[in-house]
Amino acid sequence: QKEVEQNSGPLSVPEGAIASLNCTYSDRGSQSFFWYRQYSGKSPELIMSIYSNGDKEDGRFTAQLNKASQYVSLLIRDSQPSDSATYLCAVVRNYGQNFVFGPGTRLSVLP
Amino acid sequence: DAGITQSPRHKVTETGTPVTLRCHQTENHRYMYWYRQDPGHGLRLIHYSYGVKDTDKGEVSDGYSVSRSKTEDFLLTLESATSSQTSVYFCAISPTGGSKNIQYFGAGTRLSVL
Repeated sequence: QKEVEQNSGPLSVPEGAIASLNCTYSDRGSQSFFWYRQYSGKSPELIMSIYSNGDKEDGRFTAQLNKASQYVSLLIRDSQPSDSATYLCAVVRNYGQNFVFGPGTRLSVLP
Repeated sequence: DAGITQSPRHKVTETGTPVTLRCHQTENHRYMYWYRQDPGHGLRLIHYSYGVKDTDKGEVSDGYSVSRSKTEDFLLTLESATSSQTSVYFCAISPTGGSKNIQYFGAGTRLSVL
């Protein structure tokens, strides 16, 4: 079992819909969780960080964390074609230093 | 790219040659990281540094060495490049360590080993 798993996609949603991206992790002691967006040929850029169970909202983005079930998700409301990218889930282990990244989910928002 | 410069941006080299990639930051951040990104594997940590001359290994450190003689520069060296080291290499920086450190990435270096 990989430490951080994501569906590779592509996940296709129509413009204006809600895109739901999921990530599961194996280390129960993981403390911090991040979502990065990566456009093709570009570097990852941080979208959201979440550290506590529950929801965290920032504009059209909502991150959800459930430590008991060991999953973290990212919802994108009112999806736009410009949201088409690969979304990387990153988890920091309980000893705090190293990020472990999932393989990413490719999202395609169709006009 | 958050005050991070990677050089070169593209490199083609031959098997067995040494290669050095440079990461330069203007943010004076303490922590610096080298990752490689390959299809199906996501980003994997090679080495990281938590201060001048303080470095540690990551998940895929075999075949790589690093040096950090100044806060702003973190060098990644492939002592004898192999085809399996063909990849995109990203440098990242972080102002703090610990479980809430947020990492910011450079533009990447695309390396091809023939």
